Amino acid sequence: AQRVTQPEKLLSVFKGAPVELKCNYSYSGSPELFWYVQYSRQRLQLLLRHISRESIKGFTADLNKGETSFHLKKPFAQEEDSAMYYCALSGIGGSNYKLTFGKGTLLTVNP
Amino acid sequence: EPEVTQTPSHQVTQMGQEVILRCVPISNHLYFYWYRQILGQKVEFLVSFYNNEISEKSEIFDDQFSVERPDGSNFTLKIRSTKLEDSAMYFCASSGRPNEPLHFGNGTRLTVT
Repeated sequence: AQRVTQPEKLLSVFKGAPVELKCNYSYSGSPELFWYVQYSRQRLQLLLRHISRESIKGFTADLNKGETSFHLKKPFAQEEDSAMYYCALSGIGGSNYKLTFGKGTLLTVNP
Repeated sequence: EPEVTQTPSHQVTQMGQEVILRCVPISNHLYFYWYRQILGQKVEFLVSFYNNEISEKSEIFDDQFSVERPDGSNFTLKIRSTKLEDSAMYFCASSGRPNEPLHFGNGTRLTVT
């Protein structure tokens, strides 16, 4: 069974502070990991995926297979980063391409 | 940039009634999905659809649910006899290939009274 755990429901930081949104996963094969973001009144949209190894809007996430984690980090949070963040997992290959989401973390960046 | 569109944005229905939620996926996409999010809970997979048939469905997707691609553009989710616990936000998504990032619609908020 595949499972994604985001232990923090709410995270509040001040502008300019570092932020880390935690994500742990459980999957028996080789997963693909994603972070999706939902800004207020907007649709869910992809922020980044682990195979791209990109930095989007200053965010990075490294897949740690030993710790089964895919934490999202940004060194200096901005007010416009306030949003709901969802970590998601998909199996690679075959029909295992459905996304399993975590419960989400609501990030608030205060001025 | 092309978007997935969903209608209506909000649907109120009485328990026992049938509802159809509509989605127009991105035009060259081949893989279609429905997810739902009950208020305060996580986004849950309902069903995936490819080549005019269901590829995978979750345990939530029981006999009261069905999906259809009635023409070349629409992708619908029908709930035959709604229950109070069907109240949720329903998201449609599409992708061009498996394991490609999903593009989500804005969702339809279904309220069953």
